[in-house]
Amino acid sequence: AQTVTQSQPEMSVQEAETVTLSCTYDTSESDYYLFWYKQPPSRQMILVIRQEAYKQQNATENRFSVNFQKAAKSFSLKISDSQLGDAAMYFCAYRSAWDAGANSKLTFGKGITLSVRP
Amino acid sequence: EAGVTQFPSHSVIEKGQTVTLRCDPISGHDNLYWYRRVMGKEIKFLLHFVKESKQDESGMPNNRFLAERTGGTYSTLKVQPAELEDSGVYFCASSRTENTEAFFGQGTRLTVV
Repeated sequence: AQTVTQSQPEMSVQEAETVTLSCTYDTSESDYYLFWYKQPPSRQMILVIRQEAYKQQNATENRFSVNFQKAAKSFSLKISDSQLGDAAMYFCAYRSAWDAGANSKLTFGKGITLSVRP
Repeated sequence: EAGVTQFPSHSVIEKGQTVTLRCDPISGHDNLYWYRRVMGKEIKFLLHFVKESKQDESGMPNNRFLAERTGGTYSTLKVQPAELEDSGVYFCASSRTENTEAFFGQGTRLTVV
């Protein structure tokens, strides 16, 4: 079974600074997807960024980028130029790429609460 | 286009009572998922519908939980009878196919006292 670990429960960053959120995972599969989701307070969880394991290039979405280290099973999220609206809970998640019909569920970490100081 | 909608947003019930949670997926999304987050722990998968059929219910904790998706549209998750350990936030998500992005609802916070 796959597991996702987010060992830091909370982090804080100064507005306009850069912060990195850590995530490690464990799997015996070679092909899979990794995700970072953001859940602002009392709002829906939204997808921030997605990485396909077979792609060596790290995914980027505007101020959000990942550092994907497949051998180390590490998938960290870097937020550049942090904004007040980035304050939220962030979840790292895994999804198998095999047999999508039976394996499309997400496996999540515990999440990390990010606060942004003005 | 409306997003995934969950009702109610909060529910407080006594141990032994019954509660029914509802999820309205995005129109046209055949795939519907239920997840649960117990305080301080991971978000855990409960089950997955494809249209009205249960594709995977391996995460359902026990037979006190019953999920339905009549007509392949909205879904309900009934807990009967509720226990203290059922407290948590129940999330619903939907996607057009198994390989496309899953969109989440705001969740239902269930408190069993």
